[in-house]
Parts: sequence; C-alpha cells; structure tokens
Amino acid sequence: DVKVTQSSRYLVKRTGEKVFLECVQDMDHENMFWYRQDPGLGLRLIYFSYDVKMKEKGDIPEGYSVSREKKERFSLILESASTNQTSMYLCASSILLDTIYFGEGSWLTVV
Amino acid sequence: TQLLEQSPQFLSIQEGENLTVYCNSSSVFSSLQWYRQEPGEGPVLLVTVVTGGEVKKLKRLTFQFGDARKDSSLHITAAQPGDTGLYLCATTLNQAGTALIFGKGTTLSVSS
Repeated sequence: DVKVTQSSRYLVKRTGEKVFLECVQDMDHENMFWYRQDPGLGLRLIYFSYDVKMKEKGDIPEGYSVSREKKERFSLILESASTNQTSMYLCASSILLDTIYFGEGSWLTVV
Repeated sequence: TQLLEQSPQFLSIQEGENLTVYCNSSSVFSSLQWYRQEPGEGPVLLVTVVTGGEVKKLKRLTFQFGDARKDSSLHITAAQPGDTGLYLCATTLNQAGTALIFGKGTTLSVSS
C-alpha cells in the first residue's frame, strides 16, 4: 500500500516562529501537494510539486514556502507563523491525478 | 468563485435511510473524483468517473457522472453509522491536470 507520512500529527507553535511540516511518500510518486483544511472552507491548495526542485503555487501560497530536494520528501515551511495559519495541513502524493493519496494530516495551532 | 459546489452541506439521517449528495459546476470536467474523510484522518479516494453518463457502484454507494460532465451525484442506499464522514468531490485544476481542487464537502451523520 502507498503510504504518505506526515511527521507531526499535532503541533503548537508561537506567533513568529518558523515551522516545518514534513511529508514523505514511499511510492516514488512525481507529484506531491500541500493543502490546508478549515471548517466551511474545505481543502485549499497551498503548493504542489511535480518534480524534484520544482514547485507551483496553488490557491493560497501567501505566508508559505515549500522545499522538494528529494523525490520522496515535500516540506511546507511557515517562515513566521501567524494565528490565521492555525489549521489542519494535509500532504498528498500521486503519479496520475486519478489516484491521489493523502497523509493523516497535521494539526497546527499557532498561539 | 467556488468551482465545485456541493450540496447539501450537512445531512443527518437515521440508519437504513437512503440519501443523495451532489457536486455541481458550470465547467466541463475531464474526470471527477469522490473522496470520503473520517474525522481526524486524510481523505480516501472512493471512485473516479470519467465518461459522461457513467454510473459506478461500490457496494451500497452509487456514483453518477452527468451526461454533460458538469455534475455528479453520490447515492447511498440503506445508510449505516460507518458511512458517517465528510464526502468530497474533486477535479483537476487546469488543462495540464497537475493538481486537484476540492468542493467544500457534505458532512454526513448516520445515527443508529
């Protein structure tokens, strides 16, 4: 089975801290994605990557950056966390978009 | 503007009832996917529909893609408490098909 692993399920960070959310997939997928999910707003795409060192902005990239130095790893970075970035963050990977696999999610609280 | 509109937003029913949830758009899709998400977990793919008019069945779940490929429905027969969750539809973001966008989902609660 494909496994997408998000390193932290629950994090609490202070405003202004730099936050790293790590995601690793074990199926050699080219495509990887970061979404955030908020009540009433659904899943919104932050960034995606279709190859190593490649990245594309999604719908809401402001306040975030990403890094893809290795094919299996896609990191989401909050340079200076703010309270409005409190959310559930979902990483996903795929070869083709008809089969996309999600991690279990990372719950981030910024205080 | 939300590309994918899902309705209803919330649905609370008793075990054994039937239900239908909808996913609509003004755009034509090359394909559409349905996901189910349980509380505290990531979404899991249920089905992909590709052909206009296509009907797919997954046990008690029936998925239909509209003839014009602008809408889709999910029908659940004899709902069970295990069907409780958030049902999401999704499609590709752009012509290149390099990312998925999601509707806001239908939250289903089935009580016994």
